[in-house]
Formats: sequence, structure tokens, C-alpha cells
Amino acid sequence: QLQLQESGPGLVKPSEILSLTCTVSGGSFSRSSYYWGWIRQPPGKGLEWIGSISYSGSTYYNPSLKSRVTISVDTSKNQFSLKMSSVTAADTAVYYCVRCSDNWFDPWGQGTLVTVSS
Amino acid sequence: QSALTQPPSASGSPGQSVTISCTGTSSDVGAYNYVSWYQQHPGKAPKLMIYEVSKRPSGVPDRFSASKSGNTASLTVSGLQAEDEADYYCSSYVGSGNYVFGTGTKVTVL
Repeated sequence: QLQLQESGPGLVKPSEILSLTCTVSGGSFSRSSYYWGWIRQPPGKGLEWIGSISYSGSTYYNPSLKSRVTISVDTSKNQFSLKMSSVTAADTAVYYCVRCSDNWFDPWGQGTLVTVSS
Repeated sequence: QSALTQPPSASGSPGQSVTISCTGTSSDVGAYNYVSWYQQHPGKAPKLMIYEVSKRPSGVPDRFSASKSGNTASLTVSGLQAEDEADYYCSSYVGSGNYVFGTGTKVTVL
């Protein structure tokens, strides 16, 4: 059964870079029809799609975050990563990694809370 | 891309049905048959309940059904059960590899 697990610092200072990694296990990471993505949810608020990456490295980003976000993939480790620059308190959220299968998201990682604070 | 519009809340008694709407535009919901629905219990990750407008993944009860008409998608939960109390989010493909979520609806089982 495919599982995704987020990892990374839970606290990031304002203006610094948020970095998270998602490790994929229990299934195929290299299937060309899959994309791998990040979705976030500020405390008490709704979901926001951040962006996606294919196994070959093709990326798509939310236009509202594109200037600050980079998603990369490490096929040797079955991992993909999120970097978000110039973070502010508004970037405080639970960050989920997901598999994007033909335009829906399944499964989801358990999520990791990232707090932006000095 | 703006968030899809969902009612903040919906409720029903056990055994009853509740329907949640998800309103977008001709550029998202109306343009693609790629609407999906997610159930989220407090403190948990969302779970896929419906994909491609009306298809249920294996393991999702057939009490959950969905449809789309024009720019509005809908999710219906029939025979409400206590465990259906959760937040529900719709999502739509919007083209160019991008996606948008709905504002979310809290379903309460009275």
C-alpha cells in the first residue's frame, strides 16, 4: 500500500526558506502517469494546492505562490521536496504531500505543521 | 484562480441525506470533468471520496454520490451516519496542470 511521509523543520523564521521532503514507500514512484504534489492548510482554514512534479521533473505551481516555490524530485531516494522562500506568518500551515493521479489526490501523507515565527 | 464556493455548513439527522454544492466557473468546474471530493476529520489528513465528478474509489460507501451540472458540482451523503460528520472539500482541475479547492463545508450530524 502506497504511503507518503512528510519530514522537515516544524519551525521556520520569517524571511527564511521552508524546506520539506516527502518519502514515498510501498508502491511505484516512477509511473509516468503520476504527479507528486504539495497541499497546505492554515490552521482552521481550507486547503490550498501548492504545486506538483512528475517523476521526470516537470513542474506546475500555483500562480499565487510560483515566485517563492520550488518542487524537486530525487528518484534515487523515492522522494520529492518543497522549498518556499521568504516565508511569513501567513505560510504557517499543515503541509501535506500527495500523489496526483489523473487529476485527483490520493493518497495523502499525514501532514506536518510548519510554524513561521521568530 | 479563486477558490470554489461551498456553503460553510450543512447538517442532517441520522438516516437523512445532505447535499453540498461546489460552485466554480466555466474555467474550472464547468470546463473539466475532473471534480473530486475529500472528507477530513479533525486532526486527520483529507481522504478521497469522489473523483472524476461521480466515481467512488474502492472502499468508499455507496451512500456517497456526486454529480455536476454546469459550473456547480454536488456531493450527496445519504443515510447519514455519525462518522460522516467531518469537513468536506471539493477540488477541480483548472487547466495548465493547476488545481483549485473549494472553501470547505462542515457537515454536522444532528
